[in-house]
Amino acid sequence: SQQGEEDPQALSIQEGENATMNCSYKTSINNLQWYRQNSGRGLVHLILIRSNEREKHSGRLRVTLDTSKKSSSLLITASRAADTASYFCATPLIQGAQKLVFGQGTRLTINP
Amino acid sequence: DTGVSQNPRHKITKRGQNVTFRCDPISEHNRLYWYRQTLGQGPEFLTYFQNEAQLEKSRLLSDRFSAERPKGSFSTLEIQRTEQGDSAMYLCASSGSLVSNTEAFFGQGTRLTVV
Repeated sequence: SQQGEEDPQALSIQEGENATMNCSYKTSINNLQWYRQNSGRGLVHLILIRSNEREKHSGRLRVTLDTSKKSSSLLITASRAADTASYFCATPLIQGAQKLVFGQGTRLTINP
Repeated sequence: DTGVSQNPRHKITKRGQNVTFRCDPISEHNRLYWYRQTLGQGPEFLTYFQNEAQLEKSRLLSDRFSAERPKGSFSTLEIQRTEQGDSAMYLCASSGSLVSNTEAFFGQGTRLTVV
């Protein structure tokens, strides 16, 4: 079953604009992680936000976490063509294998 | 250490043939995961190793699939009697303890096409 669900499924914006992607999850978490995947490639870790954090920044990335709503958002500011990729949120299950459970992702296209 | 390495990057095989993929994780990581990803979908968990022990298998992993991690180092994923529905990207990842706030590192994947 899906733990994380991203919204929107696809987003197309002009270069220079900001892109916001949202993620909802179902169960209690220790942290939430965002990954990027370029077409046909592996996933690259972007940022991890802990359950006791509300906001985190890394370069042009800003992640928020609202544990009361079980939701997170990823904001990419001043987008570039190289930001074109799929973005996934993932949460490690606390029990058992601690495996990351991914949503379907948001396909982001930056138009020059 | 150059990260997680997967071989081959691409594999085209005829239906019914067996295929084997290899994953070399980051050396200090004791956890290793296999995922499968089809077009437009997120990665789906297949199986998990902690050191050499295979601790969890998804119901997606039919009896045609087998994974090993001898000596807790590299891992192999074998698919026997391949079917067209097996066509997908197979991703390997390694990590320390994820609930201890560490991330997973993914390889570039092996893209399998069954014709």
